[in-house]
Amino acid sequence: NAGVTQTPKFQVLKTGQSMTLQCAQDMNHEYMSWYRQDPGMGLRLIHYSVGAGITDQGEVPNGYNVSRSTTEDFPLRLLSAAPSQTSVYFCASSGSGDYNYNEQFFGPGTRLTVL
Amino acid sequence: DAKTTQPPSMDCAEGRAANLPCNHSTISGNEYVYWYRQIHSQGPQYIIHGLKNNETNEMASLIITEDRKSSTLILPHATLRDTAVYYCIVENYGQNFVFGPGTRLSVLP
Repeated sequence: NAGVTQTPKFQVLKTGQSMTLQCAQDMNHEYMSWYRQDPGMGLRLIHYSVGAGITDQGEVPNGYNVSRSTTEDFPLRLLSAAPSQTSVYFCASSGSGDYNYNEQFFGPGTRLTVL
Repeated sequence: DAKTTQPPSMDCAEGRAANLPCNHSTISGNEYVYWYRQIHSQGPQYIIHGLKNNETNEMASLIITEDRKSSTLILPHATLRDTAVYYCIVENYGQNFVFGPGTRLSVLP
């Protein structure tokens, strides 16, 4: 299993540009989420999905869109990049089942700089 | 805001036990305590979780006080590779985490 993969690893954008951060998992996990991490801070939840076709907002959703058309993929779209979105972005996934906890697996991150 | 409070940093000698405290005085009855760590700039890694009983796995032990208002993560024999930021998180389904700044553990040779 590749686990959680993210592309690209690094990206530089100019203010106003749009782009999509890709996230994929091969563990058949129902739950997927996106976090951002600013320097010296903990991770903050942007959007999450509990299954294909279902998404919801987290703590800091403004400026980002998500969709979940398949179980495997959960792309994060920046609509019009701003310098405040310079951050490291982590995707995570976990399964679901009859028991009420599943370990979250995090991807390696995408380091985004907006000039 | 995070529901937990942790010291910003701690040092530990290599080979000794590292005891990382966490306060979660507002924890509710159905919320679990989770510990994750982040080594350098990698994605966070799961360590352990518990509800009210003490838990142990191959990585660490988790001691939760009887009133559940605080807990301690114990790394029994810390190595240099355990140097990381450790996050204590309280949540009921293990999904939509609220991360605080965590504790930066430095294991010293």
